[in-house]
Amino acid sequence: EDKVVQSPLSLVVHEGDTVTLNCSYEVTNFRSLLWYKQEKKAPTFLFMLTSSGIEKKSGRLSSILDKKELFSILNITATQTGDSAIYLCAVEARGGDKIIFGKGTRLHILP
Amino acid sequence: DAGVTQSPTHLIKTRGQQVTLRCSPKSGHDTVSWYQQALGQGPQFIFQYYEEEERQRGNFPDRFSGHQFPNYSSELNVNALLLGDSALYLCASSLGMGGGTQYFGPGTRLLVL
Repeated sequence: EDKVVQSPLSLVVHEGDTVTLNCSYEVTNFRSLLWYKQEKKAPTFLFMLTSSGIEKKSGRLSSILDKKELFSILNITATQTGDSAIYLCAVEARGGDKIIFGKGTRLHILP
Repeated sequence: DAGVTQSPTHLIKTRGQQVTLRCSPKSGHDTVSWYQQALGQGPQFIFQYYEEEERQRGNFPDRFSGHQFPNYSSELNVNALLLGDSALYLCASSLGMGGGTQYFGPGTRLLVL
């Protein structure tokens, strides 16, 4: 059965810290891995990863995919209180647009 | 450029009732997917509509049904509501069946009493 596992499930750090969020997956016919940030309701898109070893960056956020070991990490450097959110990892399988989500990591940044 | 919109934002129903949730996709998108997100969980895929047909379906009972209209908007219907149906229902739109990035709407929070 296809699954996506995120760790940790929750994390509390102080402003300025660096955090690493983990996502491992098992899916047949992998197409891409996606990271979303969910603050109140709508998840907002962060990254789409399809190739191993190529880091994607957006400001203080970066992510990388390892297709051999079937995992991805999301790094946030110099965290700010506005980074507090649930970070969702999802994997998209070929043959359709079904996306399987993990349970998310709830990140709380203390001022 | 209008993003994904959903209505209503909140809804309270009682067990056994039926509910209809609505979604308008982002401008230019033709594919709509529906997800159920229970408290503390990630979104779970319900089904996807493209060209007015259900193309993919997750592990949800037949009580969950949907429809897509010629203007690409979509409805999610849930019959015989159960307490466990209480959740945030998210709609996501994308372009085609080729794996384009999905953009999510703000969701409808359903509470079943």
